[in-house]
Amino acid sequence: EVQLVESGGGLVQPGGSLRLSCAASGFTFSSYWMHWVRQAPGKGLVWVSRINSDGSSTYYADSVKGRFTISRDNAKNTLYLQMNSLRAEDTAVFYCARGAKAYMDVWGKGTTVTVSS
Amino acid sequence: QSALTQPPSVSGSPGQSVTISCTGTSSDIGSYNRVSWYQQPPGTAPKLMIFEVSNRPSGVPDRFSGSKSGNTASLTISGLQAEDEADYYCSSYTSSNTLVFGGGTKLTVL
Repeated sequence: EVQLVESGGGLVQPGGSLRLSCAASGFTFSSYWMHWVRQAPGKGLVWVSRINSDGSSTYYADSVKGRFTISRDNAKNTLYLQMNSLRAEDTAVFYCARGAKAYMDVWGKGTTVTVSS
Repeated sequence: QSALTQPPSVSGSPGQSVTISCTGTSSDIGSYNRVSWYQQPPGTAPKLMIFEVSNRPSGVPDRFSGSKSGNTASLTISGLQAEDEADYYCSSYTSSNTLVFGGGTKLTVL
């Protein structure tokens, strides 16, 4: 079964850091683009970042550029999102998703990040 | 990058057809055939319904169809069913090599 399981969310103070992980199974992880998408409470989806299959190309939304870093370990079938200088407006459910350059065909259930003092 | 523009809500009765619009600019929808649509029932993760404007992934009913004209893309759901009630989001590739979502449309099946 194709599956993505996010972890690493939690409560963090403004200015703090968190690293999210996404464990992939049931497919050839190293063949796919991977994305992070977030959804603030009661709000819509917002694309955050994507990385190509071998990790050599990364792209970010302007709102997180310079603060977030996407990476992957194809040997461990795991996607990461390192989040620094967190702000209250980063509070959201973060979804990991498999896909292509411009769409996402498999989604995880999400992990919740809360930025609050 | 500004969000794509979707109507906040649409509704229809079972068996009817509804169309959800998604308006962007010449920097996203207007320049690329890379529009996708996602369905998100309450409390669940999104599900891909349409990719590259009009392609359906395996398992998505052919009641769902997509199209594009100029800077506007559309999702049409025909033969509405109660299970179609959900939030729907469009997304497009942009000239900045990023992706952008619409604000979402709540579909109510009356």
